Order: sequence, then structure tokens, then C-alpha cells
Amino acid sequence: DAKTTQPPSMDCAEGRAANLPCNHSTISGNEYVYWYRQIHSQGPQYIIHGLKNNETNEMASLIITEDRKSSTLILPHATLRDTAVYYCIVSSQRNDMRFGAGTRLTVKP
Amino acid sequence: DGGITQSPKYLFRKEGQNVTLSCEQNLNHDAMYWYRQDPGQGLRLIYYSQIVNDFQKGDIAEGYSVSREKKESFPLTVTSAQKNPTAFYLCASRTGQNSNQPQHFGDGTRLSIL
Repeated sequence: DAKTTQPPSMDCAEGRAANLPCNHSTISGNEYVYWYRQIHSQGPQYIIHGLKNNETNEMASLIITEDRKSSTLILPHATLRDTAVYYCIVSSQRNDMRFGAGTRLTVKP
Repeated sequence: DGGITQSPKYLFRKEGQNVTLSCEQNLNHDAMYWYRQDPGQGLRLIYYSQIVNDFQKGDIAEGYSVSREKKESFPLTVTSAQKNPTAFYLCASRTGQNSNQPQHFGDGTRLSIL
């Protein structure tokens, strides 16, 4: 299963775009990239996922590089409620989710 | 509302006691999962089930047991053999047949030792 690497923490100013990077250099051709976030003492919340094309939904945009070795989650206008731990995951053959330590995003007023 | 319900939200266990954590989903999902999360850590897979009456061990199954008698239910028992059970336990489900579908999580059960 492909592993992911994320920075342990990031800060972002309220109202600005938050760009969260993820490296997954060993991803295989049929593996998807998923993003979740977790607010303290709650279950992870699904945000978005993609295979190789860029994706956008009401929460965020996902930009995947052409070689698929890295991706960026973009929150276009971060709010204080976006403060959370963000997890980048690559799907496994067993269909489970291998969560690392994620990136702790702090949105500051 | 459709979703995943975990109960109880908080649970306390005495030494040597087995406890069972409930997970119910009304999403008609085939696959269900149990994860453990320790403070400041990511999630680790305990058990998963792709279909009724079948389940597989995850990465840290020792000291835990599960059953999958109904599609909507996947209870987890933390046995006395689990020597460090204090953690946040999360249940998830997904459709199961299509590998690109995301998992959806419950709000978790926090287990502590008395």
C-alpha cells in the first residue's frame, strides 16, 4: 500500500486559501487519493477524493500532479471552523484506510 | 437521517472485564470497519468485514473480537486480553464493492480503564 507524507502542522489566515500538500510517491495506478479531516473528539469527515484528474466539490478542491506522486487539498476561503487535523490517504487493496498523523491546520483570525 | 451510530459515547472498563462497543449503520453498506486511535496518532485498523458472516483481522486485532450477524451491525468486544484498551474507537462503513467509494465514520466511543 502506498504511504503518504504530510507536514505535521500549518497555519492559515481566516478568509485566505489553505493549501495542504501530500506526497504519495509510491502510489500505484489504480489507487485513489482521499482527504478527510478530524475535529477533536469526533469521527473523521470525508472531504474529497480523486484518481488523476482535479476534483472540486462544495468543501474543497483536490489538485493531483500529472505523475500522481503528490497532491494538494485547497480550502478556498478558510474559516475558524476549518481548524482540524487533515488526513491524506491512498486506498489499499483491502479497501481499508491507512491514516497517518495528518496535518494539523490552525486557522487564525 | 442516514448514518453510522456508535454507542455509548463514553465507556469505562474495570480490569479483567470484557466490554462491547456498538456500531449500527442504515446506509445499506456492505463493508464495515473498526479503528483504534490513540492521542496524537492516526487510526489503526482492528477488524473489518466485507460481507455478513465474514470478517478479517486488521493490523492490531489481538485482544479484540467482532461479529457480523446482520448487515447493519458490527459490534466490537474489547476483551480482558487487551492490556491497554484506553483509546478512542471509531467505526466506519462503505459500499464495499467499488473500491473508489469513501468510508464514512461514526462519532466514536471513548473507552477508559477504571
